[in-house]
Amino acid sequence: AQSVTQPDIHITVSEGASLELRCNYSYGATPYLFWYVQSPGQGLQLLLKYFSGDTLVQGIKGFEAEFKRSQSSFNLRKPSVHWSDAAEYFCAVDSGNTGKLIFGQGTTLQVKP
Amino acid sequence: SAVISQKPSRDICQRGTSLTIQCQVDSQVTMMFWYRQQPGQSLTLIATANQGSEATYESGFVIDKFPISRPNLTFSTLTVSNMSPEDSSIYLCSVEGRGQREAFFGQGTRLTVV
Repeated sequence: AQSVTQPDIHITVSEGASLELRCNYSYGATPYLFWYVQSPGQGLQLLLKYFSGDTLVQGIKGFEAEFKRSQSSFNLRKPSVHWSDAAEYFCAVDSGNTGKLIFGQGTTLQVKP
Repeated sequence: SAVISQKPSRDICQRGTSLTIQCQVDSQVTMMFWYRQQPGQSLTLIATANQGSEATYESGFVIDKFPISRPNLTFSTLTVSNMSPEDSSIYLCSVEGRGQREAFFGQGTRLTVV
């Protein structure tokens, strides 16, 4: 069965530091890959997505992610974190081109002043 | 993009009762989905709301507990029936944008069952 793993449940970084959130997926082919952010009391906002082509994708709010087929990974990065980035981050896959998403467990990001 | 309005945004309900959640989209969409997010957990797909036919439920979810309606291409409802405290969750409506490989989400309905 398809699955998504976010190994880090909780990450704390200092404001201005770089960030990398890990995501690994299990699927036979290349799925559609997404990163969403959920702020407290808010819905989900799409940060970026990967379907094909260039494996380094740029998203909103200064985020980027790199698809690595050999590692079945789609890690999210940001060079300098802002206090407003504190939120829950979800990696998701659409494995069957159906519009149905399988989500990872999420990573809670805390930003220290 | 698609703008999704979910109602109610939150509710506190007595066990044994039912709650119907509404999802309104500002444009016609083919695919509508309902997800559940239990406290501190990730999102799990409940079902796909199909226009003109019965919803398609994922493993572990049944129509008697989560009846879904989809009367047209812009509206759907999810009912949480005979609620228990274990149903306390955030329920989110999602749509796939027309011509876009991207899912848009409503703000969610935070349900607490007491």
